[in-house]
Amino acid sequence: QKEVEQNSGPLSVPEGAIASLNCTYSDRGSQSFFWYRQYSGKSPELIMSIYSNGDKEDGRFTAQLNKASQYVSLLIRDSQPSDSATYLCAVTGRTGTASKLTFGTGTRLQVTL
Amino acid sequence: GAVVSQHPSRVICKSGTSVKIECRSLDFQATTMFWYRQFPKKSLMLMATSNEGSKATYEQGVEKDKFLINHASLTLSTLTVTSAHPEDSSFYICSARGGSAGYTFGSGTRLTVV
Repeated sequence: QKEVEQNSGPLSVPEGAIASLNCTYSDRGSQSFFWYRQYSGKSPELIMSIYSNGDKEDGRFTAQLNKASQYVSLLIRDSQPSDSATYLCAVTGRTGTASKLTFGTGTRLQVTL
Repeated sequence: GAVVSQHPSRVICKSGTSVKIECRSLDFQATTMFWYRQFPKKSLMLMATSNEGSKATYEQGVEKDKFLINHASLTLSTLTVTSAHPEDSSFYICSARGGSAGYTFGSGTRLTVV
C-alpha cells in the first residue's frame, strides 16, 4: 500500500466550476498535511497546510481533513485556466519521522474554457 | 517570505563526470535540508535528509557514495552527483526547513546526462 495515494487524473473541470481533489494516507499517526501545486518543469508551491480535523479556507481554496478516515481533500472554487497544474498531497509522519514530507503521485487538473 | 536559491537551474554533463547542485537559504537558517528527485510524470521521491553539521540520512535504495550531500552551514547545502550516467537524468529539488519557516522549496535543477 502506498503511503500517500491520489488519483492521477487528469481531472477536467470547466472554468468557474469547483474542482475536488482527494488524497488518502496510510500512517494513522501522520501529523501535518499539505497541498502543493506544481506546474510542468517547475518546483512545487504551497497552496494550503492543515493540521487538525475540519475545514480550512484560504481564498478560493478549502482544505478538508478527516483523520479518522485518513483522508484529506482540496476544493478549488471558481476554477480558472491558470489553476491547470498537478496538485500534490504531502504528509508528515509521526514523531521521529515527523519532519519528513511524503508526497503522493499528484492529480493533474485541467480547467477548460 | 522564506526563499531558497537553487543553482544551476539546468545542467548538461557527459557520462562519467560529476555535477554539483547548490541550495542556499537566503533569509533564514536551514537546520534541515531535504533532497528530492522527480522523474517525468512522477512524484517527488525523497533521496536524503541532512541536518547542519551532521551526515545525511539516505532513503532506502539511494546510493550515498553516488549522491554526496554536504550541509556544512545553516545556509548552504550541496548535492553532488558523482560519475553521472544517463539514468541519473532527472529533476532534482531541495527543500529547506528552519525556525518558523515551513518547507521552502528551491526552484529545481534539470540534470541531463549525455
